[in-house]
Amino acid sequence: DAKTTQPTSMDCAEGRAANLPCNHSTISGNEYVYWYRQIHSQGPQYIIHGLKNNETNEMASLIITEDRKSSTLILPHATLRDTAVYYCIVLKTNQGGKLIFGQGTELSVKP
Amino acid sequence: KAGVTQTPRYLIKTRGQQVTLSCSPISGHRSVSWYQQTPGQGLQFLFEYFSETQRNKGNFPGRFSGRQFSNSRSEMNVSTLELGDSALYLCASSLAGRGNEKLFFGSGTQLSVL
Repeated sequence: DAKTTQPTSMDCAEGRAANLPCNHSTISGNEYVYWYRQIHSQGPQYIIHGLKNNETNEMASLIITEDRKSSTLILPHATLRDTAVYYCIVLKTNQGGKLIFGQGTELSVKP
Repeated sequence: KAGVTQTPRYLIKTRGQQVTLSCSPISGHRSVSWYQQTPGQGLQFLFEYFSETQRNKGNFPGRFSGRQFSNSRSEMNVSTLELGDSALYLCASSLAGRGNEKLFFGSGTQLSVL
């Protein structure tokens, strides 16, 4: 399974965009990029996923580089409730239930 | 639609005992996977079930086992509990466990082994 590298922690001012990077240089053609987040003591929450193209939903945008070796999760207007650990995961098509979590990025949104 | 339900929410056991945790997936979801979360090891995949069959397995000892019933509900069992088994156990469900599906997680069962 492809491994991911994320910064350990990041800060963001409330109301500003939060840009969380992820490196997945060994990703293969049939692996999706997923983002989940975990707010303290809760189960992880799905944010967004993509294969090749950039994606946007009501929560965030996902920008995947053309060579697919890295991606960026963008929270356009961060709020205090976005403070959480964010996990970038790559996932094979036939292993949808098997998420391999790294250490993630602890995002702190500050007033 | 109800979310993923895990019971019990908290559990205290002593070393050597066994424990069974329950997970009810979202209605219509047939894939159920289990994860262990500890401060030291983070979130680790235990196993995944689909249509009552174990489809994927993580790197855990045989003391950790699970099963899935015909209604997709799942249980996991840990026998001969050790102090290191103290953790938050999370269950997640998806429609069919394919790579382009999102997983929905429950709130977890917090297990403390004394």
